[in-house]
Amino acid sequence: ETGVTQSPTHLIKTRGQQVTLRCSSQSGHNTVSWYQQALGQGPQFIFQYYREEENGRGNFPPRFSGLQFPNYSSELNVNALELDDSALYLCASSLGIAPYEQYFGPGTRLTVT
Amino acid sequence: AQSVTQLDSHVSVSEGTPVLLRCNYSSSYSPSLFWYVQHPNKGLQLLLKYTSAATLVKGINGFEAEFKKSETSFHLTKPSAHMSDAAEYFCVVSVSRNAGNNRKLIWGLGTSLAVNP
Repeated sequence: ETGVTQSPTHLIKTRGQQVTLRCSSQSGHNTVSWYQQALGQGPQFIFQYYREEENGRGNFPPRFSGLQFPNYSSELNVNALELDDSALYLCASSLGIAPYEQYFGPGTRLTVT
Repeated sequence: AQSVTQLDSHVSVSEGTPVLLRCNYSSSYSPSLFWYVQHPNKGLQLLLKYTSAATLVKGINGFEAEFKKSETSFHLTKPSAHMSDAAEYFCVVSVSRNAGNNRKLIWGLGTSLAVNP
């Protein structure tokens, strides 16, 4: 059984650029959730994908978008990067949309300069 | 409105002494509750969960939590702290977004646990 993996581990971008972060869910899981964790803060829910469709969204602007693929891996895209987007981006997979157990990847550290 | 409050942002204990990390929640319905741990530069790991079964929940690494509905609390405890327990701990409540099985997680702000030798 493979765990949740994320790529890249670290990323540095310039304000205004676009970024794509990737996540492979745990084997057998069909739901992926994305979180933003600013330094010293708890994770903030961005959105969730279930069977390739968005299933819930937090208070993030439309420039945060995502995709889920038939193999249940997922991408998080952020357009027009702002300095405040600098954070750890966490992906979590689970089985079904009732998140009784979520398994997290190690995260992608994004720095926007 | 549903919410979760971790009452201490920082807790410091000596190795071998008990650990208590406090969490209170507010929920209109019977919640599911979780504790996650995050070690430095690592992802989040599920410690334990409460989903309306036994009120005393045992998790990994010797941690336990007790669901007390009358006090709306879900405090995390461990009888004897180990140096490796030093980490950030998050209390999380799972609440319904609407009718049916559609739920979301609400995260506390975290408690940083320091373990002194």
